[in-house]
Amino acid sequence: QQQVKQSPQSLIVQKGGISIINCAYENTAFDYFPWYQQFPGKGPALLIAIRPDVSEKKEGRFTISFNKSAKQFSLHIMDSQPGDSATYFCAASIGRGKLIFGQGTELSVKP
Amino acid sequence: EPEVTQTPSHQVTQMGQEVILRCVPISNHLYFYWYRQILGQKVEFLVSFYNNEISEKSEIFDDQFSVERPDGSNFTLKIRSTKLEDSAMYFCASSETQGGEKLFFGSGTQLSVL
Repeated sequence: QQQVKQSPQSLIVQKGGISIINCAYENTAFDYFPWYQQFPGKGPALLIAIRPDVSEKKEGRFTISFNKSAKQFSLHIMDSQPGDSATYFCAASIGRGKLIFGQGTELSVKP
Repeated sequence: EPEVTQTPSHQVTQMGQEVILRCVPISNHLYFYWYRQILGQKVEFLVSFYNNEISEKSEIFDDQFSVERPDGSNFTLKIRSTKLEDSAMYFCASSETQGGEKLFFGSGTQLSVL
């Protein structure tokens, strides 16, 4: 029930394309869903986050789509760039800083 | 931009030895966390800390682990008697709010237990 399942494990996208990463959860008590970006040798960095009362949130080229009934959420990266190549983690939380992370998606954007 | 600082970046130790991993959270943050990431696996929550007390801990955080804020700036994770399976990247994080929104992570300490 505490798991967050993330797919795909790896993703290769051409420059300018759309990258889509999906996550699913079981625990309906989760009330905060962030996405983190991690570059090699660095810690995860918050990219964008959403709460379940909103179906979509957009910040620049990054959009979270949230489907509460299906208990799924996804990250869309529009106009993907080589600099977006990183590992992306979805996460879910019921507060107090305890994030349950997905397995991660290694994104490679080819020039 | 303010950042969470962790030292050392790499630590090699023998099985059974004690290690202390150090972190300097962002100065106005009051909530502190440790997470770990075993190679190739997901990031896992270990413990949250506020007002000199543990707020929450995971099943991983057993009696071998302890946390401390020894002064106004440092936050430490101690592993009393390291095991091979403790080998991982350990991340410290901090946040301004209790809800744990906007966690800022350090770059991590890679712990290798031989």
